[in-house]
Amino acid sequence: EAGVTQFPSHSVIEKGQTVTLRCDPISGHDNLYWYRRVMGKEIKFLLHFVKESKQDESGMPNNRFLAERTGGTYSTLKVQPAELEDSGVYFCASSQASGPEKLFFGSGTQLSVL
Amino acid sequence: DAKTTQPPSMDCAEGRAANLPCNHSTISGNEYVYWYRQIHSQGPQYIIHGLKNNETNEMASLIITEDRKSSTLILPHATLRDTAVYYCIVRVVWGRNKLVFGAGTILRVKS
Repeated sequence: EAGVTQFPSHSVIEKGQTVTLRCDPISGHDNLYWYRRVMGKEIKFLLHFVKESKQDESGMPNNRFLAERTGGTYSTLKVQPAELEDSGVYFCASSQASGPEKLFFGSGTQLSVL
Repeated sequence: DAKTTQPPSMDCAEGRAANLPCNHSTISGNEYVYWYRQIHSQGPQYIIHGLKNNETNEMASLIITEDRKSSTLILPHATLRDTAVYYCIVRVVWGRNKLVFGAGTILRVKS
C-alpha cells in the first residue's frame, strides 16, 4: 500500500512568486491534514479536510495560503505571493476515520523562499 | 488540548531500553496519550497511543500512571535508527482531531 506522497520534495522560489504543493493521501483516507515546521520552531497545524470539506482551518497563517481538496482525493496548498517567512517544511498527513486513529505523514516539502 | 512536558534531550546506549517520560498533569478524561517520532528529514511517524491501560505494539510500550498525569514510552532495545525527536501529545479524539506538537525529546542512541 502506498503511503502519503508529497510533491515536490523541495522547492526554491523567490519572494513574491507562487508555489503549489501537492499531497496524495493514502487511498480511502477521508481525513487530510496540512502541517508545517518553520526553522527552529515546532510543527504547527494548518488545516484539516474531511473529504472535500474544510473541517478546521484555524492554523492557516493568512489569506496568502489557499488549500483545496477537490473531489476529496488529493490536496493542494498554494502560497501566493510567497514571503520569506513561509520557508519551512510542509507536511501532509491522512487518516481513515475520526476517533483514536493514527495519522500517516508524508515526507514533506521543503520550501525555501529567497 | 492539554499541554505536555518532556525533557529536551536524552541519551541511550544501543541495545538498552530507552525510557522517555512525559508529564500531562492537566489531561482530561476524554484525552488520549499519543507518541510520534520524527527521524531526520522524514515526516512524523506514529508509534503508539493509549487512554488508561498500558499498551504494547511491535515498536514500543506505553506505560500510563494510574492518575493519568504522566506516561513513559519504552523502546525495549534501542538501535541507532531510533535516534529521533519523540513527541508526546494528548488529544481529544472526537470533534477536532488535530495533533498539537510540542518541542519533544531528542533521543540520541549511541553505540
